[in-house]
Formats: sequence, structure tokens, C-alpha cells
Amino acid sequence: DVKVTQSSRYLVKRTGEKVFLECVQDMDHENMFWYRQDPGLGLRLIYFSYDVKMKEKGDIPEGYSVSREKKERFSLILESASTNQTSMYLCASSGTGKGKGEQYFGPGTRLTVT
Amino acid sequence: KQEVTQIPAALSVPEGENLVLNCSFTDSAIYNLQWFRQDPGKGLTSLLLIQSSQREQTSGRLNASLDKSSGRSTLYIAASQPGDSATYLCAVRPANAGGTSYGKLTFGQGTILTVHP
Repeated sequence: DVKVTQSSRYLVKRTGEKVFLECVQDMDHENMFWYRQDPGLGLRLIYFSYDVKMKEKGDIPEGYSVSREKKERFSLILESASTNQTSMYLCASSGTGKGKGEQYFGPGTRLTVT
Repeated sequence: KQEVTQIPAALSVPEGENLVLNCSFTDSAIYNLQWFRQDPGKGLTSLLLIQSSQREQTSGRLNASLDKSSGRSTLYIAASQPGDSATYLCAVRPANAGGTSYGKLTFGQGTILTVHP
């Protein structure tokens, strides 16, 4: 079974703090994604990565950065957390190649910025 | 730009009923379509993946169909149970145009399903 894990289920941070959200997958997937999910706005893509050290902006990258130093790990960084970044953050991964492409999600991190 | 719409936004049915959830998308150039389930406060669980060359996929009481030319997919749930209560999301992945869009999904807003005993 594919497993995508996220470092924390719940996180509370103060405004201005630097926040790291970690995601690890165990299926040797090339693609990894970070989304945020807010009521009424649905799932929105923040950043994604299609290879080690490669990253692409999603729909809402402002205020975020990412790091992918190893294939299995994709980190989301909030350089200076703000209250409007309070949200549910979801990590996902998928493989490439014929017949593949199913995207698998982690359990999510509920981040509250006060 | 791809847009995905799910109808209805919410559905409440009695236990045992068969039901259909609808998903439509505006750009038929897709690689695959995926149906997910999300329980409150949790991540998304993949239910079914349909490749663009397929017409349907089945898993247990679930059956998903795909009509790419008309931009539609349906998720059929047979003999619904209270444990099926959740939000159901569909998402489409664009056909690989050679760029770095490969792997990105566009999600619908979801259908909130309640199955009452």
C-alpha cells in the first residue's frame, strides 16, 4: 500500500514564525504536491515537484516555498506565517508511466496561525 | 483553463438507496480522472482511477464511468450505507502536453453525501 505521511496532524504557530511542514512517501513516486484546503474554496495547489530539486509553482504560491532534496521527501515552508495561512494542508504523491498516475494523499496538517 | 463541476453539492439519502454523483469537466484532453472520498478533518482517500482510454472502473459497490467526449463522469454507489457518508471529490489530470503540468489535478468542489439509517 502506498503511504504518504505528514509530520504533524495539528500545528499551532504564532504570526511571523517560520513553519516547516514535512511530507514523506514510500512508493518511489516522482511527483509530489502541496495543497491547501479551505471551506468554500476547495483544494488549491500551492507547489509541486516532478523530480528531486525540481519545483513548480501552483495556483497560490505566494508566501510559501518548498524543498525537495530527496525523492521521498517534500517540504513546505512558510517563511513568515500569517493568520491567512491558517488552513488544512494536504500533501500528495503520484508516479509516472503508463497505467500509473493515481494520486495518493497524506492525512493532512491542520495549521492554526495566531 | 480546465474547470470541474460536481452536482449536486449535497445529497441526503436513506440507507439502502442506490445513488449517482455527477462530475463534469470543460476540457476533454485528460490523462485520467480520479474519484476521492474525504471524511471530516481527514485527507483524501482514492476510490477509483479511470484512464482516458477506459469507460468505467468498479470497486465493490462503487462504479465510475467516463465519457471523455462529453466531459462527464459519474460515480454510482449501490446499496448505500451510513458509513458512506463523506465528501466525494472528482479530479481530472490533463493530458501531458510535454510541459511540467504533468501530474497536476484540477478538483471539483465536491458532493457532501449523507446516508441516514
